[in-house]
Formats: sequence, structure tokens, C-alpha cells
Amino acid sequence: SYELTQPPSVSVSPGQTASITCSGDKLGDKYVLWYQQKPGQSPVLVIYEDTKRPSGIPERFSGSNSGNTATLTISGTQAMDEADYYCQAWDSSIAVFGLGTKVTVL
Amino acid sequence: QVLLVQSGAEVKKPGASVKVSCKASGNIFTDYYIHWVRQAPGQGLECLGWVNPNNGGTNYAQKFQGRVTVTRDTSITTAYMELNSLTSDDTAVYYCATLKDGVVKYGFDSWGQGTLVTVSS
Repeated sequence: SYELTQPPSVSVSPGQTASITCSGDKLGDKYVLWYQQKPGQSPVLVIYEDTKRPSGIPERFSGSNSGNTATLTISGTQAMDEADYYCQAWDSSIAVFGLGTKVTVL
Repeated sequence: QVLLVQSGAEVKKPGASVKVSCKASGNIFTDYYIHWVRQAPGQGLECLGWVNPNNGGTNYAQKFQGRVTVTRDTSITTAYMELNSLTSDDTAVYYCATLKDGVVKYGFDSWGQGTLVTVSS
């Protein structure tokens, strides 16, 4: 089965840039989605189709995908961005998620 | 987007079955495939399967084949997920989520509030 690998945690200072990687075999050939999840809440889609932001998602969220690695970048990170972030791709029409990355804003 | 409202928390004994509902409103029900995703306590997200609301077609993750059934009732714009032969490992929050027209590049743009299923003797 297809696997996605994320770092367990990323720390960032307010106003700085946080980068979260997601690795998988030939991931660049697949569409990657990114979700934000805060404690006790349902996930929220922050990036779709590798690089696009749904309406209402701040411009500081951006995505890229090439080769075996996709990256979610949060520019000018704010305290409200502290959350778990999950990448997702598709394998035989079934959603596959990474294990998640906890972003801590110090 | 679609508003998804799920049924309430459930407590089940090992070996039992659970059926969770997900009512959709706010947009055309048949435009959105309904996927089911679960999250065990302190863990990540795991997909169980999905239903095509147009024709009832389904697809299941290999791990849950034979144990999960996803259905829909278009007359009341509601999808259902039934999981059988429950064990303590099935204790999790179960979410429904929508995928517009089943187009994978769009991602899950709407999620239900989650239903906690606890399996305990």
C-alpha cells in the first residue's frame, strides 16, 4: 500500500516560515492535498491540487509538489496556525494520509 | 460546500456493529461523493471507503474490506457507514467528508463534526 511520510513536529517562531514536507514514491505524479486540524475540531482543507488555496484560506499558506516530495509552507506564521497538518494523496481511489505534523509556534 | 451533520456518539461491545449517519444539506447531494475517515485517539487520519451518491457505487480500503459497508439514501440526503465485528482498535472518531464530483484533485472540502465510537466490554 502507498505510504506518505511526514516529520512528527515542526517548531517555528511567530512571523517566520514553517515548511512541512510529505514524501512518497513518485508523489509528484499524484495530486496532494493538505489539511489543518486543531484540537477537538474536524480537519480543514488548506491546499488542494498541490498548490491551490480554497476560498477563505490565507495567502500565507502555499504548496508545492515535485519528484518524491510535497511541501506545505506557512509564511509569516501566526499563533493561530498552531495545529496538526496532514498531507493526503490517492491510491486506487482511496485517500491515503500522512501521519501528521504538529506545528508549534514558539 | 456542503453542511454535514453526523449522528451522535456510540458505545458498543466487542463483536457488535455500529452504523453512523451523515446528513448533507446546502448543495446538490448527488454532486458529492461521501467518504468516511476515522481517527483513533491521538492518532492520524485513516480512510475506510466511499459511496457515489448517484448510483450507490462504493469502494473500500483493503484493510476494511468485508467489514465496512457504506450506503446512501438520496431521498433524505444521508449517507451511512456500518462497521462490523468491532474491537477496541475501532475506538475512534469517525468523520464523513465530501469530494465534489469524485474529482480527486479537489480534496475533502467539507467535513462532518465527527462521531465518537467507543468499543468497550
